[in-house]
Amino acid sequence: ETGVTQSPTHLIKTRGQQVTLRCSSQSGHNTVSWYQQALGQGPQFIFQYYREEENGRGNFPPRFSGLQFPNYSSELNVNALELDDSALYLCASSHGLAGAPGELFFGEGSRLTVL
Amino acid sequence: GQNIDQPTEMTATEGAIVQINCTYQTSGFNGLFWYQQHAGEAPTFLSYNVLDGLEEKGRFSSFLSRSKGYSYLLLKELQMKDSASYLCAVRDGRASGGSYIPTFGRGTSLIVHP
Repeated sequence: ETGVTQSPTHLIKTRGQQVTLRCSSQSGHNTVSWYQQALGQGPQFIFQYYREEENGRGNFPPRFSGLQFPNYSSELNVNALELDDSALYLCASSHGLAGAPGELFFGEGSRLTVL
Repeated sequence: GQNIDQPTEMTATEGAIVQINCTYQTSGFNGLFWYQQHAGEAPTFLSYNVLDGLEEKGRFSSFLSRSKGYSYLLLKELQMKDSASYLCAVRDGRASGGSYIPTFGRGTSLIVHP
């Protein structure tokens, strides 16, 4: 069984630039969630994709956008980067059946630094 | 919205027992999770409670009281490797599309010393 993989693991950008982060979900999982985790904080929900459709969104501006592909892998795009976007971005996959525990399986994260 | 509260930091001695509390206020409830996160690593699933009571899994147990909006994670026979952040996450009753979406607390940093 292949776990959740994310790329890149670390990256440095400057203010105003754009970034794309990638995630491959665990085999058999059709739901991908993205979280932002600032240092010393818990993960903050950005959005979730289920079968290629956005399925819920947290309190993040529209410059945070995403995609899910037919193989259930996903991308997170952030435009017009700001210093406060510096964080660990976590991707988590789950099986989106109603009633199932739906525990999240996290990738190792992409650590973004904005200078 | 949701409000999840847990202590920022706790310390304990190797071999001891520690209880990490989590209180929450949600508009609906569909389960509470505990995750462990070592520094620089991804969170990993520890436990899930949806009904009141205690769930035991080896050295770790988790308790839930839905009427009180309260949960705790109990760690027994503490080991140095248990030093980590412990995240409480609550799923509310919203069913958007395929699944429910958990909201995380800020985490409790547990330091285990010899």
